[in-house]
Amino acid sequence: EVQLVESGGDLVQPGGSLRLSCAASGFTFSDRLMHWVRQVPGEGLVWVSRINGDGSSTTYADSVKGRFTISRDNAKNTLYLQMNSLRVEDTAVYYCARHYVSGSYSVDSWGQGTLVTVSS
Amino acid sequence: QSALTQSPSASGSPGQSVTISCTGTSSDVGGYNCVSWYQQHPGKAPKLLIYEVTKRPSGVPDRFSGSKSGNTASLTVSGLQAEDEADYYCSSYAGSNSYVFGTGTKVSVL
Repeated sequence: EVQLVESGGDLVQPGGSLRLSCAASGFTFSDRLMHWVRQVPGEGLVWVSRINGDGSSTTYADSVKGRFTISRDNAKNTLYLQMNSLRVEDTAVYYCARHYVSGSYSVDSWGQGTLVTVSS
Repeated sequence: QSALTQSPSASGSPGQSVTISCTGTSSDVGGYNCVSWYQQHPGKAPKLLIYEVTKRPSGVPDRFSGSKSGNTASLTVSGLQAEDEADYYCSSYAGSNSYVFGTGTKVSVL
């Protein structure tokens, strides 16, 4: 069974930093492209970032480019999101998600999410 | 990277059909056959319903179907059931390894 478990969400002040983790199990982690998607409670889904299987290619939404860094440790089956220069508008539940089959341009498994609150 | 546009709400009676639209641009929906649809119940993670415009992952009932015309994609839920009451989101590949989600549609079963 595929499992994705996020952790690291917290209350942080504007301008602060946070690192989210996502522990993956139940599939060959290094074979799959992975994503981070966020959702303000009560609002819609927003794609944040993706990383390919070996970590050599990353892409970011314009709203987080230059502030967030996605990475992965395939030996530990773990996905990360380093979040710097946090803003109030970054407050959201952050989901890690597994890319579906190659070429599908979709995600088929999601974690339960971790809440990041940016507030003074 | 503007969000794809979805109508905020849709509704139907049990057994009826409801169609949700998702409008983008030639840079996302219209430019690629890479539209996906997700269902999200309150407090739950989203579930993949449709990928590559029309394809269903195994286990998704054939009551859910997708289509696309130009810059607008659509999801049709046929034979509406009480458990179909949820939020629905479209998503599209937007080029250069980026993606964009829709604004979401709340479907109510009357």
